[in-house]
Amino acid sequence: KAGVTQTPRYLIKTRGQQVTLSCSPISGHRSVSWYQQTPGQGLQFLFEYFSETQRNKGNFPGRFSGRQFSNSRSEMNVSTLELGDSALYLCASAQGALYEQYFGPGTRLTVT
Amino acid sequence: ELKVEQNPLFLSMQEGKNYTIYCNYSTTSDRLYWYRQDPGKSLESLFVLLSNGAVKQEGRLMASLDTKARLSTLHITAAVHDLSATYFCAVLPTSGTYKYIFGTGTRLKVLA
Repeated sequence: KAGVTQTPRYLIKTRGQQVTLSCSPISGHRSVSWYQQTPGQGLQFLFEYFSETQRNKGNFPGRFSGRQFSNSRSEMNVSTLELGDSALYLCASAQGALYEQYFGPGTRLTVT
Repeated sequence: ELKVEQNPLFLSMQEGKNYTIYCNYSTTSDRLYWYRQDPGKSLESLFVLLSNGAVKQEGRLMASLDTKARLSTLHITAAVHDLSATYFCAVLPTSGTYKYIFGTGTRLKVLA
């Protein structure tokens, strides 16, 4: 089975711009979660989608949004970028009772 | 506030030595996960621990779970350089939210 894929892998944006990140889960997985990883804050949960519905949300401002499509692919959008949004954004997919999350390679976003 | 604390945060050890990483959590949970992250890479699933007293072993790593004490341990036996990485534990609360709470991570460096 192919793993979780994320595109793009690297991104450089300017403050005030917006960005869209994409995640394709493992085939058959309906749950997709997004995380932000920074050296100072560690791994922080952004949101989780299941069957096109946002099921859980972390404590991030409304500038961070996401969606999931009928094929379980998910996108995350950050509007009005700030320098503090520079981070590694990780997507993970899961399925079944174990709910073991499998992570993608991440998108490294740099905001200048 | 739900908290997952790991200690130590940093661990430098000699090859061949044994050591234990501790993961304490503040919420009720019957599912705990251990992940490994190499520098600049994504997270790799190591263990899924599902019940009190669960013990799993893979190579030089052994993980255990005590749900009553809200404690999990990751024991390293006869460390080798290849085990150098950051190790995270993550908890899935029993409250029904599909929202991993990650620990702070333990950066392990094994010296030859």
